[in-house]
Amino acid sequence: DVKVTQSSRYLVKRTGEKVFLECVQDMDHENMFWYRQDPGLGLRLIYFSYDVKMKEKGDIPEGYSVSREKKERFSLILESASTNQTSMYLCASSPDRVRGNTIYFGEGSWLTVV
Amino acid sequence: GENVEQHPSTLSVQEGDSAVIKCTYSDSASNYFPWYKQELGKRPQLIIDIRSNVGEKKDQRIAVTLNKTAKHFSLHITETQPEDSAVYFCAASVRGESSGDKLTFGTGTRLAVRP
Repeated sequence: DVKVTQSSRYLVKRTGEKVFLECVQDMDHENMFWYRQDPGLGLRLIYFSYDVKMKEKGDIPEGYSVSREKKERFSLILESASTNQTSMYLCASSPDRVRGNTIYFGEGSWLTVV
Repeated sequence: GENVEQHPSTLSVQEGDSAVIKCTYSDSASNYFPWYKQELGKRPQLIIDIRSNVGEKKDQRIAVTLNKTAKHFSLHITETQPEDSAVYFCAASVRGESSGDKLTFGTGTRLAVRP
């Protein structure tokens, strides 16, 4: 069974703090993603990665950065948290074109910036 | 880039009735269309998907149809049950040699099945 684990389910941070959201997958997947989920806006892609040390901007990258030093780990970084970054963050992974393309999501991290 | 619109945003049906959720997409190159179900407090999970070389796909009470010409696809749930109550997301992506699984999602439909 595919497992995508997000290290923190609930976080409360202050404006201006640096925030790290960690994600680990245990299925040797090539692709990893960070989405943000807001009511009425669906799931919006922040950043994604197709390989170690590789990253590409999604649709809403402003205010975020990512790191993928190891294949199984993909971190989302908020350099200076702001209240408009209060949201649910979903990490996801998928295999490769050979093994299939279903995206598997983590449980989500609820971030509140005060 | 791709833009996916989803309707309705909320849907309430009587148990046993059918539910239909519709999505349109903008990029004619899109060729992969999955549907995800998200129960309250849980992660989205894939329930069915369709590729552009297929017009319809069924899995028990769930079916998806695709009209490439009109660039729209729909989710059909028959004989709805209370456990079908959830938020449903459609998505679209271009699957090719140089692209990965970069899905663009719709805004979601909250389905409520009344007992």
